[in-house]
Amino acid sequence: EPEVTQTPSHQVTQMGQEVILRCVPISNHLYFYWYRQILGQKVEFLVSFYNNEISEKSEIFDDQFSVERPDGSNFTLKIRSTKLEDSAMYFCASSVGSLDPSSYNEQFFGPGTRLTVL
Amino acid sequence: QKEVEQNSGPLSVPEGAIASLNCTYSDRVSQSFFWYRQYSGKSPELIMSIYSNGDKEDGRFTAQLNKASQYVSLLIRDSQPSDSATYLCAVKGRSGGGADGLTFGKGTHLIIQP
Repeated sequence: EPEVTQTPSHQVTQMGQEVILRCVPISNHLYFYWYRQILGQKVEFLVSFYNNEISEKSEIFDDQFSVERPDGSNFTLKIRSTKLEDSAMYFCASSVGSLDPSSYNEQFFGPGTRLTVL
Repeated sequence: QKEVEQNSGPLSVPEGAIASLNCTYSDRVSQSFFWYRQYSGKSPELIMSIYSNGDKEDGRFTAQLNKASQYVSLLIRDSQPSDSATYLCAVKGRSGGGADGLTFGKGTHLIIQP
């Protein structure tokens, strides 16, 4: 069964440092997403990515965040200058993707990266 | 502002009984609806997706959608202790296309009592 993978599983960083979280989406999927979940809170959408550009982003996804598909398999989330409040689980997800609104566009999540900002 | 509401629980159900989980959403033009299961410290795992009004069954799981009432539910038959988890309701945006992020509820914590 194909699955989304993420590295590292746990990242510890100092406030103000840059971090890059990595994801390998399911190989035939066209849409990629990043979500975060602060401990004890709900899963929140950050950004969606299609055809090498951002499709949609939430208010959380400010100038401190960026995404990139540096090669044919990896999808990355960069946080330029981490803050204490960036501590969270970050989930990558992917979907086959369809312009047909009747499609479910089911999103499959990776195991997550726990980011701890000290 | 799109909102998805769920009772946080915990919802305690005896083993073998039916667990009923409910969700309401605010955006009337939402197109697609999903139930995820999340074990503590793990990522969301897709259980069911539903688009049309009515029921959709998959094994022990049945999803129900009522767009007029903006209501989605998940029934779990013959509940097992391994079903104990947090169940997340998620709603996809108005376009229904692949670009839309999911809006999640806070989840219902389900406990199946042996």
